Amino acid sequence: GQNIDQPTEMTATEGAIVQINCTYQTSGFNGLFWYQQHAGEAPTFLSYNVLDGLEEKGRFSSFLSRSKGYSYLLLKELQMKDSASYLCAVRDPQGNTDKLIFGTGTRLQVFP
Amino acid sequence: KAGVTQTPRYLIKTRGQQVTLSCSPISGHRSVSWYQQTPGQGLQFLFEYFSETQRNKGNFPGRFSGRQFSNSRSEMNVSTLELGDSALYLCASSGRGDSIPGELFFGEGSRLTVL
Repeated sequence: GQNIDQPTEMTATEGAIVQINCTYQTSGFNGLFWYQQHAGEAPTFLSYNVLDGLEEKGRFSSFLSRSKGYSYLLLKELQMKDSASYLCAVRDPQGNTDKLIFGTGTRLQVFP
Repeated sequence: KAGVTQTPRYLIKTRGQQVTLSCSPISGHRSVSWYQQTPGQGLQFLFEYFSETQRNKGNFPGRFSGRQFSNSRSEMNVSTLELGDSALYLCASSGRGDSIPGELFFGEGSRLTVL
């Protein structure tokens, strides 16, 4: 089966750095996504990894290790507006589908 | 380009009733997926449609159904509603012309409360 694990909640201080981990067990691999979801809003795309290594986009970076079934999302210079849920998702490896398999999400609270 | 639009945004039903939710994808996107989001379970995949055909289906009972029209708009229906169907139902569209394969663009969801 497919399984994705991420911490349920995390807290951090404004200006700090936080790392949100995600581990996955899937039969095959076809890409990993991170989405951000503010309360009451739609999930929005943050990053995509399909090859091992680090993808950087401004204050956000995402890392992937396919051999370890592991990814993390790194948020630097935290701002209050970064308080949100962060969703890790892998693309269904069974091909010819855009189905994503989501973890339960990590709720991040940023304090001043 | 305009985003994914879902209607209605909020609705309240009672047990045993049925409900139909609507989704208009981003123009040019031919794939539409539906997810159920609850606090304890996260996003659970319901089904995916592409060119009016169901391409993939999640592990939900037959009370949950959907369809896609020739203009790519999609509807999902839940019959004989149960209390446990209370959730946020999210629609997402995707298109092969996008830079990231499989990137989903989500609507703001339809929040269903079953009393």
